[in-house]
Amino acid sequence: RKEVEQDPGPFNVPEGATVAFNCTYSNSASQSFFWYRQDCRKEPKLLMSVYSSGNEDGRFTAQLNRASQYISLLIRDSKLSDSATYLCVVFVTGGGNKLTFGTGTQLKVEL
Amino acid sequence: DVKVTQSSRYLVKRTGEKVFLECVQDMDHENMFWYRQDPGLGLRLIYFSYDVKMKEKGDIPEGYSVSREKKERFSLILESASTNQTSMYLCASSPSELTGGEQYFGPGTRLTVT
Repeated sequence: RKEVEQDPGPFNVPEGATVAFNCTYSNSASQSFFWYRQDCRKEPKLLMSVYSSGNEDGRFTAQLNRASQYISLLIRDSKLSDSATYLCVVFVTGGGNKLTFGTGTQLKVEL
Repeated sequence: DVKVTQSSRYLVKRTGEKVFLECVQDMDHENMFWYRQDPGLGLRLIYFSYDVKMKEKGDIPEGYSVSREKKERFSLILESASTNQTSMYLCASSPSELTGGEQYFGPGTRLTVT
């Protein structure tokens, strides 16, 4: 079983739609959680951290369910510029600042 | 502005050649990382380093070695390149504490081994 699992997509949505991505992780000792964004042929960049209480950054909302070992990312009012691959990332202490990346979910926002 | 640079964007090498991939960061970060990224497999950690002359194996170190002689530079070495090492190689760096979970990535080197 992969340590971090994501639906690869692609998710094709019209501009203005709301879309949600899910991610599950297998290591219950995982401490920190993040979403990274990777544009086509570019490097990954941190989008946002994920906190137990849930957190919001503009049109983006991230949530964590530790009991179910489940992370989500909600994007409201999708823009064309949101088209990218979204990587779910998990950090486990004791492994020395190592992040484990999911394979990513591809989002395509269309006119 | 933070910056991680990699020596080449594209590289073509022959099977059996020794390959050096260079990475430089200008942020004075302690930690540096080498990943490879393949379709359907995502980013996989090859090696990482906490400090100068320190190195730790990641998840897929076989066939690779690394060198960190200076804080800002982390090199990945393929001792004898093979076709299954054709991939996108990404270097990253982060501060000593994983503040905000942010690793800063270089633009990547697409290596093709023929």
